[in-house]
Amino acid sequence: AQKITQTQPGMFVQEKEAVTLDCTYDTSDQSYGLFWYKQPSSGEMIFLIYQGSYDEQNATEGRYSLNFQKARKSANLVISASQLGDSAMYFCAMTLDTGRRALTFGSGTRLQVQP
Amino acid sequence: NAGVMQNPRHLVRRRGQEARLRCSPMKGHSHVYWYRQLPEEGLKFMVYLQKENIIDESGMPKERFSAEFPKEGPSILRIQQVVRGDSAAYFCASSREAYEQYFGPGTRLTVT
Repeated sequence: AQKITQTQPGMFVQEKEAVTLDCTYDTSDQSYGLFWYKQPSSGEMIFLIYQGSYDEQNATEGRYSLNFQKARKSANLVISASQLGDSAMYFCAMTLDTGRRALTFGSGTRLQVQP
Repeated sequence: NAGVMQNPRHLVRRRGQEARLRCSPMKGHSHVYWYRQLPEEGLKFMVYLQKENIIDESGMPKERFSAEFPKEGPSILRIQQVVRGDSAAYFCASSREAYEQYFGPGTRLTVT
């Protein structure tokens, strides 16, 4: 079974600085997808970025980029130029490329952006 | 293009009552997933459905919980005889064939 580990329960960052949120995963499958979701205090889950296991380039979406290191089984999220509105819980998740498409989530990292 | 809709947003039930949670997927999405989030935890997969079919229910508790996604209408997650431990946020997500799952706003269930 696959597993996602987020080792940082909480992180602080100054406004306008970059921050990296760590995520490692464990699976024996060769084909899988990795995701990051943001959950603000209002509670909704917002899709941020996706990386496929066969994608050779790191995914980027605006200020979000995914630092994908396949050999190390890590998929860290980098947020550039942090904004106060980035304060939220961030969850890393993965799914296998099988008929079973359930997302497996990590325990999350609470990011607080300070002015 | 409306997002994933869930209702109600908040639901209060007394122990022993039934809870019905509804999810309407995004337009064009035929895959629906239900997840549960306990306070201060990540989301845990419950069930994956396509129209009229349960594809994967490996995360569903064996008793009291059921889910359906009929040909017409929303997907329903039903919890019979609720207990205090069922208090949680229940999220529905939908997708097309691709990986990305888009989440609804969630239903916060409180069992008193």
